[in-house]
Amino acid sequence: DTEVTQTPKHLVMGMTNKKSLKCEQHMGHRAMYWYKQKAKKPPELMFVYSYEKLSINESVPSRFSPECPNSSLLNLHLHALQPEDSALYLCASSQQRTSGTNRETQYFGPGTRLLVL
Amino acid sequence: ELKVEQNPLFLSMQEGKNYTIYCNYSTTSDRLYWYRQDPGKSLESLFVLLSNGAVKQEGRLMASLDTKARLSTLHITAAVHDLSATYFCAVVHAGGTSYGKLTFGQGTILTVHP
Repeated sequence: DTEVTQTPKHLVMGMTNKKSLKCEQHMGHRAMYWYKQKAKKPPELMFVYSYEKLSINESVPSRFSPECPNSSLLNLHLHALQPEDSALYLCASSQQRTSGTNRETQYFGPGTRLLVL
Repeated sequence: ELKVEQNPLFLSMQEGKNYTIYCNYSTTSDRLYWYRQDPGKSLESLFVLLSNGAVKQEGRLMASLDTKARLSTLHITAAVHDLSATYFCAVVHAGGTSYGKLTFGQGTILTVHP
């Protein structure tokens, strides 16, 4: 299984809603990532989890809250989002041979297309 | 701060022609990736280049890396319509608190027409 899966594929939410994005991989990867991608722009890193611990937070607003319940799952909890948060949210994972040497190829999921009204 | 610049940003090619996309980066790194993204889809890993002088080929695409010049190229040979997509290069941060982080170039939107 060489796949990263994400649910839902599409999400429409109001600014007062709370929702969650889910990501799953069964490749035994120990690093997982959340990216945000606006139209016609490159992906921008939001968070990195390494061995289920948050290792990089790219100064993301607190209305985005990541969670890594186990080595196969990654969630992104959303609360009180703004219309400018509308984007494609991509999850990725990579093999990480030891903690601190996180440089392997990242495999991306299909993404969740989020629209905030 | 690591900066990654691609050019051209837009490339309109005729089928059967050759062209090269360039990726320059600003600080030392020994690992560079090329990804492909179809409209509305996710990113597909094409190549990982690990050392100076590395060259990899898959079908009509060939990627190379010159770490001294901090330059990677993606060469397209005899383009076909199926190659139409956005191509990103991405460079790994080599140290500091961003160790392992990927920084992407702006992307090159490639359109191949008859």
